[in-house]
Amino acid sequence: DSGVTQTPKHLITATGQRVTLRCSPRSGDLSVYWYQQSLDQGLQFLIQYYNGEERAKGNILERFSAQQFPDLHSELNLSSLELGDSALYFCASGALGLNTEAFFGQGTRLTVV
Amino acid sequence: QQQVKQSPQSLIVQKGGISIINCAYENTAFDYFPWYQQFPGKGPALLIAIRPDVSEKKEGRFTISFNKSAKQFSLHIMDSQPGDSATYFCAASFDRGSTLGRLYFGRGTQLTVWP
Repeated sequence: DSGVTQTPKHLITATGQRVTLRCSPRSGDLSVYWYQQSLDQGLQFLIQYYNGEERAKGNILERFSAQQFPDLHSELNLSSLELGDSALYFCASGALGLNTEAFFGQGTRLTVV
Repeated sequence: QQQVKQSPQSLIVQKGGISIINCAYENTAFDYFPWYQQFPGKGPALLIAIRPDVSEKKEGRFTISFNKSAKQFSLHIMDSQPGDSATYFCAASFDRGSTLGRLYFGRGTQLTVWP
């Protein structure tokens, strides 16, 4: 158990809909990272938050947004969903510093039908 | 643009054999190179990591070899076991600046170890 909790584990929704994925980081970790894993793109970094502020942005679509709350949990919002958004979405948490180990949650499998 | 290239895509090894997975990177500013192991239905988990100031790091049956001049690094799994069957990802990261902790992953290698 990595200590990172993601909910829900599975999500099935229709095209055009909006969903919210939730992540609770490991106790004490201030950084949250979101990754998308798909067969054609592999593991792609989406966005990073550190202590409530956006820190880095990767290949995140404009239809997607994220935030980190004062209690450090994070949410990834995906809107106007398309079939191609079907993927595994991972949250990872870690600390800034020399030890850049990222601890991954078990992921949310999103299926858009 | 894939900043970290990984090969092979899949690997089949007999129990007791050596599994070797190779990665190459482009950006010489990378200074942290972890390997992650992922089992079906699970998230990636850190296996072993190396920094570019050393050429080799060993932890149990797992060894990373690092060649800074060639911009390549590899994972060797000695005495491979069926329980090692998983997908392995190499990655690279900057250990400073605004992208601290952001990982650039290779595409993964699916390892199957035959009993």
